[in-house]
Amino acid sequence: SQQGEEDPQALSIQEGENATMNCSYKTSINNLQWYRQNSGRGLVHLILIRSNEREKHSGRLRVTLDTSKKSSSLLITASRAADTASYFCATDAAETSGSRLTFGEGTQLTVNP
Amino acid sequence: EADIYQTPRYLVIGTGKKITLECSQTMGHDKMYWYQQDPGMELHLIHYSYGVNSTEKGDLSSESTVSRIRTEHFPLTLESARPSHTSQYLCASSEGPRVYGYTFGSGTRLTVV
Repeated sequence: SQQGEEDPQALSIQEGENATMNCSYKTSINNLQWYRQNSGRGLVHLILIRSNEREKHSGRLRVTLDTSKKSSSLLITASRAADTASYFCATDAAETSGSRLTFGEGTQLTVNP
Repeated sequence: EADIYQTPRYLVIGTGKKITLECSQTMGHDKMYWYQQDPGMELHLIHYSYGVNSTEKGDLSSESTVSRIRTEHFPLTLESARPSHTSQYLCASSEGPRVYGYTFGSGTRLTVV
């Protein structure tokens, strides 16, 4: 089973609307990270939130973390067509020595102009 | 702009051939990783390295091997390619993944015919 599972698997919205993606995980974590992947390309790191943080902002991105529910959400405000991509959450599990990220299955976001 | 480079970008090769996927980074990062990703699916960690002469197998069993003779170079080799190896291979590095996250290359899309 996946450490990180995103919901929904696919999301289609109109330009200007907000997009919310959710991620659930199973074990204790050091941090949770969100990445973006354009079709057929590598991933781009968006934001990292530590286990002792509850909310973080970066530009139009807002990430929340609820360690009691083992879940996180990524909100993209005022979406643009250029935001169309797959978004992955990744967890840095607390019990692993060193640091290896485990990725979820991703949410495919389509922003229609 | 990412300073991690993967070559080739695309590779179509016959069954039984030996191949090496190249990954180089110019950031001086100690930690490097190889992930395998099928289209539209999650990433699976197949190898990682925390420094020169240090390599470990990841969570997904893989017939590939890696080496880390220089900090900047982390090549992946398949001794005998098979159609089941068809996938996208993503290389990443990090200065300190618990603080900064990963930097990914653009990936190598491998097709074995």
